[in-house]
Amino acid sequence: EAQVTQNPRYLITVTGKKLTVTCSQNMNHEYMSWYRQDPGLGLRQIYYSMNVEVTDKGDVPEGYKVSRKEKRNFPLILESPSPNQTSLYFCASSLDMSTSYNEQFFGPGTRLTVL
Amino acid sequence: AQRVTQPEKLLSVFKGAPVELKCNYSYSGSPELFWYVQYSRQRLQLLLRHISRESIKGFTADLNKGETSFHLKKPFAQEEDSAMYYCALTYNNNDMRFGAGTRLTVKP
Repeated sequence: EAQVTQNPRYLITVTGKKLTVTCSQNMNHEYMSWYRQDPGLGLRQIYYSMNVEVTDKGDVPEGYKVSRKEKRNFPLILESPSPNQTSLYFCASSLDMSTSYNEQFFGPGTRLTVL
Repeated sequence: AQRVTQPEKLLSVFKGAPVELKCNYSYSGSPELFWYVQYSRQRLQLLLRHISRESIKGFTADLNKGETSFHLKKPFAQEEDSAMYYCALTYNNNDMRFGAGTRLTVKP
């Protein structure tokens, strides 16, 4: 089944403890992206990747890192999480973004709480 | 700066009534606009895109460049349309901006 998977789905952690949220897609998509969803703010893009080893900042990259060593994986890294990073995180992928017909496929979301 | 505005956070209509979810954007170039929907306990998914000029689940959206709007409309709302709706804009072939979302509730 073609899909985007994220792990873990739920995570409670403490300030400063490094964590990684994994994202994987099995559709051979070139484009991958991370968003955070907050009440009243909707979805905001954190980082995106056009292809392997190509990543770029979105709207709210501060406090996050990403890597794209393989096409299928795009982990989100929080080196030193803080309470303001408590949010619902979505990974998404798309074949590419060069045409208007491309649809982004979203993962199920990861609810992160930083105490 | 590129921006997508959805002025209504909450919208409630009765079953069978027309519904319009508003979306305005700011972008000086040629926009590519989408509507995404998130039903309860489901993933965010694409509803429709302006380039396709399609009608999905009875919804349509027309791009009005003069008013910089991309409102989502349905003539007769159904209870199963209750969901969170996001308007989205892509630009420069890389970036995507989402609006804050509108929660639609269709009452029986």
